[in-house]
Amino acid sequence: DAGVIQSPRHEVTEMGQEVTLRCKPISGHNSLFWYRQTMMRGLELLIYFNNNVPIDDSGMPEDRFSAKMPNASFSTLKIQPSEPRDSAVYFCASSSRDDNEQFFGPGTRLTVL
Amino acid sequence: LAKTTQPISMDSYEGQEVNITCSHNNIATNDYITWYQQFPSQGPRFIIQGYKTKVTNEVASLFIPADRKSSTLSLPRVSLSDTAVYYCLVGLNDYKLSFGAGTTVTVRA
Repeated sequence: DAGVIQSPRHEVTEMGQEVTLRCKPISGHNSLFWYRQTMMRGLELLIYFNNNVPIDDSGMPEDRFSAKMPNASFSTLKIQPSEPRDSAVYFCASSSRDDNEQFFGPGTRLTVL
Repeated sequence: LAKTTQPISMDSYEGQEVNITCSHNNIATNDYITWYQQFPSQGPRFIIQGYKTKVTNEVASLFIPADRKSSTLSLPRVSLSDTAVYYCLVGLNDYKLSFGAGTTVTVRA
């Protein structure tokens, strides 16, 4: 298995632009997580999906952030409009309900100028 | 979620054993203790999980005393490639992992 796949790996954009991050979880996993990591705040859980349904989005910072999971093999995290304070590494992770171990993707490093 | 406390950083040399202790005084009866490892520019990776006593796998050992208010991750004979951030997490097979700041382990030649 290729593991969790994220794209793009790096994204540089200007303030006000829309940013879309993509994630393909490990096949067969039914839970998907989006995290954000910064030096100041560490690793924060943004949103959690189970069987493609958002279960907990309490970590989503504000309305500018939205996430979707249209099917079991794909999820997106969108920021619109982006701001410099959104600059961070965004990780996607997936897990199987039978095993609580979360498998993380390589992350997307987002820089908003 | 049970709060965890672990050292900010630790230094070691190649070939030595590294022990990282994590305090979790308010651990709940059903909580498990899980450790993740994160290398620079990578996502965290599961290392080991335990409930009580001792757990060992090919990477590390996890020691948990009877009161479960702390746990110690033991990395035997570390190498330079073990330089990473190590996170201690406590929870009930729960999706809401709280990673905290972790312990930065630096292994020197």
